[in-house]
This record gives sequence, C-alpha cells and structure tokens, in this order.
Amino acid sequence: LAKTTQPISMDSYEGQEVNITCSHNNIATNDYITWYQQFPSQGPRFIIQGYKTKVTNEVASLFIPADRKSSTLSLPRVSLSDTAVYYCLVGVGNTGKLIFGQGTTLQVKP
Amino acid sequence: DTAVSQTPKYLVTQMGNDKSIKCEQNLGHDTMYWYKQDSKKFLKIMFSYNNKELIINETVPNRFSPKSPDKAHLNLHINSLELGDSAVYFCASSLLAASTDTQYFGPGTRLTVL
Repeated sequence: LAKTTQPISMDSYEGQEVNITCSHNNIATNDYITWYQQFPSQGPRFIIQGYKTKVTNEVASLFIPADRKSSTLSLPRVSLSDTAVYYCLVGVGNTGKLIFGQGTTLQVKP
Repeated sequence: DTAVSQTPKYLVTQMGNDKSIKCEQNLGHDTMYWYKQDSKKFLKIMFSYNNKELIINETVPNRFSPKSPDKAHLNLHINSLELGDSAVYFCASSLLAASTDTQYFGPGTRLTVL
C-alpha cells in the first residue's frame, strides 16, 4: 500500500505562495495523486488531482516529478480562509479506497 | 441542496447503547463510504458500498454494521458503544468506485460516548 508523508504543520502569511510537499515512495504505476482540504468542523473537500508533470486549476497547482515519488501542492497568494488541513493521498486499486495520512495543518496569519 | 447529508450532526450517548447514523446523497453516485476521524485528525476508511454492494470492509469491529437500503443511502449502525468509538464519522460518495473519482464528504457526525 502506498504511504504518504507530509509535514505536520506549516505557517504562512496572507498573500504568500505556499508549497506543501508530499512523499509517496511506494506509489503504484496506476495510482493518481489527489489532494483534499479540510476546514474545521467540515468534511474534506477535493482540491486537485494529477498523475504526472503539472496540473493547475482555479484553486491550486500540483507538481509531480518524473519519478512520481513526491508531489507538491502549490497555493498561490493564500488568504486567511486557506487555513485548513491539507491531505495528500494516493489511491489503491479500483475500489475507491483512499488512504489519508495525518495531513498538513496550514495556518495563514495576517 | 446539500449533496451529502448526515444525521444527526451530534450524538452523545452512554456506553453500551446502540445508535445509528444516517447518510444520504443526492448526487446520483453509485458509491458511498464511511470514514472515522479520531481526535488526532486521522481519517480512516471503514466501509464502502457500490450500488448497494459492500466492496470495502476494513478491519472494523463487528459492532459496526453498514446498511444500504438503496444507492442513495448508507447508514451506519453501532451496537454496544464503547468509549473508543468517540470520533467524528464522515459519510462520502463518489460517482464510481475508482480511486481517481472525487469523493464528496458530508458534514460529519460527532459521536461522544460517555
């Protein structure tokens, strides 16, 4: 089973770019990398997903190197409302089973 | 309209009681899940149903029994509640049972066992 490792916490200031890196050394060939965001007292919410290279949407960018053993979630110009826990996940097979790690708690300060 | 809803939002009960948490999704998805999030924020999958069929059944005590009356509902029944069952339980759904499918989570049910 693929396992992910990411920093437990990060601090940033409003307007800065935040990069959260996740390690997944045992990622399988058919696994995608997915990031979810969880605000306090809410369920996780999908942010972005990718397989290789770079993916960008209206919320974030995801950078995946050629060996796919890590990935970096990039949040441009964060605001206070981006304070949340960010989870990096890799899927397992075709059952929808996602393994959540402990996530990275991002604290954005004014 | 709420996409994935759970009831109740809070549940406080005594050890040994039996309780149920209900989940409904109006997204037309085929697959539904139950997750448990402990006090350290670890989110762990418990069960998954695809079109009313159980497809994921993690190492969960037999006291936990999911029931899917139709593909829009996945309820969680817990017998003989224990202190260690205190957690936040999240229901989720996805279009298909693929790990690439976006999972949509409900607001969670905070269960406190006294």
